[in-house]
Amino acid sequence: TQLLEQSPQFLSIQEGENLTVYCNSSSVFSSLQWYRQEPGEGPVLLVTVVTGGEVKKLKRLTFQFGDARKDSSLHITAAQPGDTGLYLCAGGGGSNYQLIWGAGTKLIIKP
Amino acid sequence: GAGVSQSPSNKVTEKGKDVELRCDPISGHTALYWYRQSLGQGLEFLIYFQGNSAPDKSGLPSDRFSAERTGGSVSTLTIQRTQQEDSAVYLCASSLALGGLGETQYFGPGTRLLVL
Repeated sequence: TQLLEQSPQFLSIQEGENLTVYCNSSSVFSSLQWYRQEPGEGPVLLVTVVTGGEVKKLKRLTFQFGDARKDSSLHITAAQPGDTGLYLCAGGGGSNYQLIWGAGTKLIIKP
Repeated sequence: GAGVSQSPSNKVTEKGKDVELRCDPISGHTALYWYRQSLGQGLEFLIYFQGNSAPDKSGLPSDRFSAERTGGSVSTLTIQRTQQEDSAVYLCASSLALGGLGETQYFGPGTRLLVL
């Protein structure tokens, strides 16, 4: 069974600080997606990484896919209160429709 | 509307009652997905539709759960004889086509179900 573990489960930091959240597995995934979910809303796709070692940047957010395609990280530089939310990673396995989801990292950025 | 809509947004019901949850996907999206999200947990895949067909129903938690899609558009998820452990947020997503990570899934806001 493929599992994705996210860490930390909860993170509360001050505005302006940097942070990294992790998504780890013992399984290889064909690709990895990161979503952000705000209260009362569904998840919104931030990025998809498909190649081992791939790095993608989205403004202050940097996403990296591990060389072995078993893990991924999300780094936020100079966090803003608008970054607050639940960050979910989801991995694509053998099925072409079913994603394997992590439990999420709840991030709070205090002004 | 431009996005996926779900109704009701909140539902409180008594144990043993049946509930019906509705999802309106983005117009033209052929693939539709249902997920369940419990508090503090990730998403649990329930079922997907390609058009009106649901080829794989193995993700449904029990035979009390059923789903249908008509006209390649609206889908309903029905839970019969609800139990307290059914309490969760039920999310619907749609994508232009069925293609896993090649197709972005757009999520609705969810239906928050509370079974008393």
